[in-house]
Amino acid sequence: KQEVTQIPAALSVPEGENLVLNCSFTDSAIYNLQWFRQDPGKGLTSLLLIQSSQREQTSGRLNASLDKSSGRSTLYIAASQPGDSATYLCAVGKAAGNKLTFGGGTRVLVKP
Amino acid sequence: DARVTQTPRHKVTEMGQEVTMRCQPILGHNTVFWYRQTMMQGLELLAYFRNRAPLDDSGMPKDRFSAEMPDATLATLKIQPSEPRDSAVYFCASGFEAETLAKNIQYFGAGTRLSVL
Repeated sequence: KQEVTQIPAALSVPEGENLVLNCSFTDSAIYNLQWFRQDPGKGLTSLLLIQSSQREQTSGRLNASLDKSSGRSTLYIAASQPGDSATYLCAVGKAAGNKLTFGGGTRVLVKP
Repeated sequence: DARVTQTPRHKVTEMGQEVTMRCQPILGHNTVFWYRQTMMQGLELLAYFRNRAPLDDSGMPKDRFSAEMPDATLATLKIQPSEPRDSAVYFCASGFEAETLAKNIQYFGAGTRLSVL
């Protein structure tokens, strides 16, 4: 059974610092991995999606890397802003059209 | 602005009562997912529909939970009877089959926060 872990559970940084969020998974036979953002009282918004054949994806200040063999993904957020404060979840898909297995999330607070 | 709509946004009920949560997928989407989020368990998949047919409901307690799609514009999740341990946020997500199959892309609603006293 796939297990997805995110450490740390919470993170607080001053504005301008780079954020590094970690995600690990136990079964390396994944189809793809996604990073989501969840704001309080809201649903999830997909930020980046990495197919299993890719090693990284970038979108603006966000960069996600994937090391399938070691079961790890890292989300980097450059020059953090207070608006980046949210919970970030990673999710792995075992196969196309299959269910996603989510990590517990990292709650991020960026202080002005 | 296409979005997944869930109602009600909040529900407080007493143990033993029936609870019905509704989801309107984005128009044209033909895959629908129900998730439950708790502090202890995180986000768990309860049910997955494609073209209104249930494909996977293995994560759903069958004795009290039921999920249906009466038509393409409505998905429902019912709990009968409800218990305090059902207190959680329930999310619905939808997607295009092609996007879902190729990339597991889903669009999430804002959720229904359920409290069972």
